[in-house]
Amino acid sequence: GAGVSQSPSNKVTEKGKDVELRCDPISGHTALYWYRQSLGQGLEFLIYFQGNSAPDKSGLPSDRFSAERTGGSVSTLTIQRTQQEDSAVYLCASSYRNFNEKLFFGSGTQLSVL
Amino acid sequence: AQKITQTQPGMFVQEKEAVTLDCTYDTSDPSYGLFWYKQPSSGEMIFLIYQGSYDQQNATEGRYSLNFQKARKSANLVISASQLGDSAMYFCAMRDRSNDYKLSFGAGTTVTVRA
Repeated sequence: GAGVSQSPSNKVTEKGKDVELRCDPISGHTALYWYRQSLGQGLEFLIYFQGNSAPDKSGLPSDRFSAERTGGSVSTLTIQRTQQEDSAVYLCASSYRNFNEKLFFGSGTQLSVL
Repeated sequence: AQKITQTQPGMFVQEKEAVTLDCTYDTSDPSYGLFWYKQPSSGEMIFLIYQGSYDQQNATEGRYSLNFQKARKSANLVISASQLGDSAMYFCAMRDRSNDYKLSFGAGTTVTVRA
């Protein structure tokens, strides 16, 4: 595809369940980012990948959150034992790695924890 | 450490008027890029304009222009001839090498265009 693809677009889950969110970046983009956005709020940085490694995991809110990237491409964000406060839109973005490269964003996954 | 500051949480502008959205940043890296994104109610993040730290001229893209004042570390977005479709949240963001090129965002400014 031409853009960043995220799935699912919507996810409703029960408190305590685990969820996996997927991001398929633009081919060739070495950098991949996960952000979280609560309703009407700004973007909260979660984690960043350069290739398959994650140099910066500083934004992950708790140890219930983890992410991996395989083959320098697809990334999965996993939230274990979901809580209601995890409800938000999770945005993925990819780019080339340089200060003058813009990020391309996916359409996001709307996560609702009941 | 990076810091992006947008001090205007919300603004109203009359259709066809110009509006300026403020953004200040802080970095010790001489090489950095500044970006503005628009997020309408649909939620998509739309790239608007880019300014590089070494660029001599202010960036322009159609009705968008960036008022770049390097010494003041200011990168204000100017939207000319506002349209109803400009109603959205606008984010200022920065990337630099010292932060491993992570894109950091400001808190955003909500713009509402009135007919």
